[in-house]
Amino acid sequence: DAGVIQSPRHEVTEMGQEVTLRCKPISGHNSLFWYRQTMMRGLELLIYFNNNVPIDDSGMPEDRFSAKMPNASFSTLKIQPSEPRDSAVYFCASSKTGTGDSGELFFGEGSRLTVL
Amino acid sequence: AQSVTQLGSHVSVSEGALVLLRCNYSSSVPPYLFWYVQYPNQGLQLLLKYTTGATLVKGINGFEAEFKKSETSFHLTKPSAHMSDAAEYFCAVSERVGGYQKVTFGTGTKLQVIP
Repeated sequence: DAGVIQSPRHEVTEMGQEVTLRCKPISGHNSLFWYRQTMMRGLELLIYFNNNVPIDDSGMPEDRFSAKMPNASFSTLKIQPSEPRDSAVYFCASSKTGTGDSGELFFGEGSRLTVL
Repeated sequence: AQSVTQLGSHVSVSEGALVLLRCNYSSSVPPYLFWYVQYPNQGLQLLLKYTTGATLVKGINGFEAEFKKSETSFHLTKPSAHMSDAAEYFCAVSERVGGYQKVTFGTGTKLQVIP
């Protein structure tokens, strides 16, 4: 079975440019999470979708960040304009949420973003 | 609010030695507990999880963890370290918040295995 698929794996861009990260969750999973990982702050939850609806976006750093989930098999995380401090590895994770679920997450391999 | 504390950001062990990675948590309700492993340039993958029942949980690659409610701990162990165990390990706690299982991760422990 295919796992969570993220693209691009690596992105190098210049400050001020728009960045779009993409995620395809595991088929049948109804919850999707975007995390950011840095040395300084570790793993941070940015936003959580359930059944394509954003439920908790309290972790989104600022208005430059936006996330969408137009359907059950696709999500994007956009940064516009990008800044050097946005450099990090961005992970997408999915899970099957329902009665009795434990919260086990399935992670993609991440998108490593470098903003020069 | 739930939280996770991992003692030691870096742990070094000799190949064949016992691996012990410590995790303490706080939670207002009985939690679900997890250990994830992250190899270089990869995402996190589940090692093991505790939900209910037996407090000693066995995972992949010979790892196990014991849920100790009285100590609010969920330490990860492996009797004999292998070179391939070198990775970063994350403890996580999950509790129901606002209708979904919110997962909080610890800051991670990097395990170095010395030949």
